[in-house]
Amino acid sequence: NAGVMQNPRHLVRRRGQEARLRCSPVKGHSHVYWYRQLPEEGLKFMVYLQKENIIDESGMPKERFSAEFPKEGPSILRIQQVVRGDSAAYFCASYGNMNTEAFFGQGTRLTVV
Amino acid sequence: KQEVTQIPAALSVPEGENLVLNCSFTDSAIYNLQWFRQDPGKGLTSLLLIQSSQREQTSGRLNASLDKSSGRSTLYIAASQPGDSATYLCAVDNNDYKLSFGAGTTVTVRA
Repeated sequence: NAGVMQNPRHLVRRRGQEARLRCSPVKGHSHVYWYRQLPEEGLKFMVYLQKENIIDESGMPKERFSAEFPKEGPSILRIQQVVRGDSAAYFCASYGNMNTEAFFGQGTRLTVV
Repeated sequence: KQEVTQIPAALSVPEGENLVLNCSFTDSAIYNLQWFRQDPGKGLTSLLLIQSSQREQTSGRLNASLDKSSGRSTLYIAASQPGDSATYLCAVDNNDYKLSFGAGTTVTVRA
C-alpha cells in the first residue's frame, strides 16, 4: 500500500446525511480509481479520474454519488443522502502509468445507521 | 463483460502444507492479472503482477502462473504459515484501466 492515503478509516452516518471520502494517491500518481466492496462481495469498479477529469464513471450510481480529483488536493468521493445500502468499504487505488501494479489504500468503511 | 471466479471460496490447511488457489476469467484478452492479499478490515496488498505475455511470476514462497488461452491463473503458496491466513483476491485488467475482481479465497492456516 505504498503511500495511498484514505481518510477517514471509519465513517458512521445517519440515513439522509452526506458522506465525504478522501483519497491521496501515491506521490506523482495521476490516475485514481474508486472501488466499492459490499459485505461478502468482491470489489466493484466505480469511477476512474485523472487530475481535474472524470475518465469513466460507468460503475458509479447515477444519483447521489459524485467524484472529483482537483488540481490540488485529494480525490473526493461524495455520497449524498446516504441509505443503508451504501454501507460498504470504499477503496481508492492509484497508478503511475498503465500496465504497472495498482496500489490500494486501506479503505474507508462507511456504516449508515 | 469480464467475469472472474475464484475457487475455493474458503480453504483451511495445517501449517506447512502447500496452498493452491485458483482464478478463472471469461475474457482471455487480458492486459495483466494481479494477485492481492486482504487482511480482515484492512486494505489490499499487491502480491504479484503477471503481464499477459508472461507465464508465471515468483516472489519468495509465492508463485503465480497464467494460462491466458484457458482463462486461468493459479497462486501457489509453499510451506504455509499461520501468518498467511487472509483473503486472496485475483484481479484482471482488460486494458480498459478497470480491474475486475474475483470474490476471493479466504485461507486459514492452522498452527
